[in-house]
Amino acid sequence: AQSVSQHNHHVILSEAASLELGCNYSYGGTVNLFWYVQYPGQHLQLLLKYFSGDPLVKGIKGFEAEFIKSKFSFNLRKPSVQWSDTAEYFCATGSNTGKLIFGQGTTLQVKP
Amino acid sequence: GAVVSQHPSWVICKSGTSVKIECRSLDFQATTMFWYRQFPKQSLMLMATSNEGSKATYEQGVEKDKFLINHASLTLSTLTVTSAHPEDSSFYICSANSGTFLAKNIQYFGAGTRLSVL
Repeated sequence: AQSVSQHNHHVILSEAASLELGCNYSYGGTVNLFWYVQYPGQHLQLLLKYFSGDPLVKGIKGFEAEFIKSKFSFNLRKPSVQWSDTAEYFCATGSNTGKLIFGQGTTLQVKP
Repeated sequence: GAVVSQHPSWVICKSGTSVKIECRSLDFQATTMFWYRQFPKQSLMLMATSNEGSKATYEQGVEKDKFLINHASLTLSTLTVTSAHPEDSSFYICSANSGTFLAKNIQYFGAGTRLSVL
């Protein structure tokens, strides 16, 4: 069965620090990968997605992620975080039925 | 962009009563809607997949008689928690997508409903 694992549960950074959140997936076939963000009190929003093609994916708000097939990874990165990036981040993989399988989530706290 | 509205955002009810949560796609037709449950500090767990005009498909371990799902139109799905008990207290989130190729489509999420059963 498909699964997604996020290694970092709680990350605390200072503003301007670089961010990398880990995500590993387990599935041997076609992969659809997503990163969602949930700001406090708000709904989940899509940051970026990967279906095929260029493994380096650019998303909104300066985020990017790199699909590394050999490592089954899809890590999220941002070179310089801001206080407004404080949120919960979820990695997810999609199936052909449209279902999303979410990772455990990572709470990011950015200190001003 | 696509907007999914979920109502109510917060509900408190007495044990034994039923609660209905609505999920509406405001500016697109949602052929498929999904219902998730999120426990504090945990991930979203898919409860069921709801297709317009047909019976919902429930994930393993989810009681279909407990969590009634109706997707009567292309813009509305409802989740009814029947005979709610304190252990049903949770954050319920719906999402919707559209189009023929579900695997490629993006899910748009509602803001969630916090259910507290006393």
